[in-house]
Amino acid sequence: AQKVTQAQTEISVVEKEDVTLDCVYETRDTTYYLFWYKQPPSGELVFLIRRNSFDEQNEISGRYSWNFQKSTSSFNFTITASQVVDSAVYFCALSEGRPLIQGAQKLVFGQGTRLTINP
Amino acid sequence: DTGVSQDPRHKITKRGQNVTFRCDPISEHNRLYWYRQTLGQGPEFLTYFQNEAQLEKSRLLSDRFSAERPKGSFSTLEIQRTEQGDSAMYLCASSVRPALNYGYTFGSGTRLTVV
Repeated sequence: AQKVTQAQTEISVVEKEDVTLDCVYETRDTTYYLFWYKQPPSGELVFLIRRNSFDEQNEISGRYSWNFQKSTSSFNFTITASQVVDSAVYFCALSEGRPLIQGAQKLVFGQGTRLTINP
Repeated sequence: DTGVSQDPRHKITKRGQNVTFRCDPISEHNRLYWYRQTLGQGPEFLTYFQNEAQLEKSRLLSDRFSAERPKGSFSTLEIQRTEQGDSAMYLCASSVRPALNYGYTFGSGTRLTVV
């Protein structure tokens, strides 16, 4: 069965601090995709990143970086020099299968981490 | 391309009433998904369509829930005889036939409150 765990329910930091959001996943499939989404108060889920199970390279996009480690089944998200606008709920999600063959499969989400950046 | 639209944004209903939500996906997206998100939780999968065919339904989708996607365009989610436990945000997402950069686009959701 597929499962995503985000153990940190809430994190609060002061602006300009670095912060890491943890994500641990479970799957029996050898092919899967991992995602991070941001949910601001407006409610819409905003896509941040997608990573497939065959690509363990870390990725950096501006102040955001992601660390994917298959050995520990983790896909952690770090925000460097946090800003107040980063305040939101962040979700990690998993999709199993081969989308290029089977089509895009359903997403399984973690419980989310509410991040508050204080000025 | 105006994204995924959901209507209404908010719905308050009395217990026992029926409600229907609508989702308009991005026009060229062939897959459409419904999720439910309760307070403090992540979205939970309910069902999805490929064009007009409903391919999978979650066990969360009780007999009181029904979803349709006539003609493979917009979709409706109906809840009959609403209960207080149905209070949640109902999210719709759509996805294009996967290419190397496939992904999911979410709507802003319909927040249902059952009183």
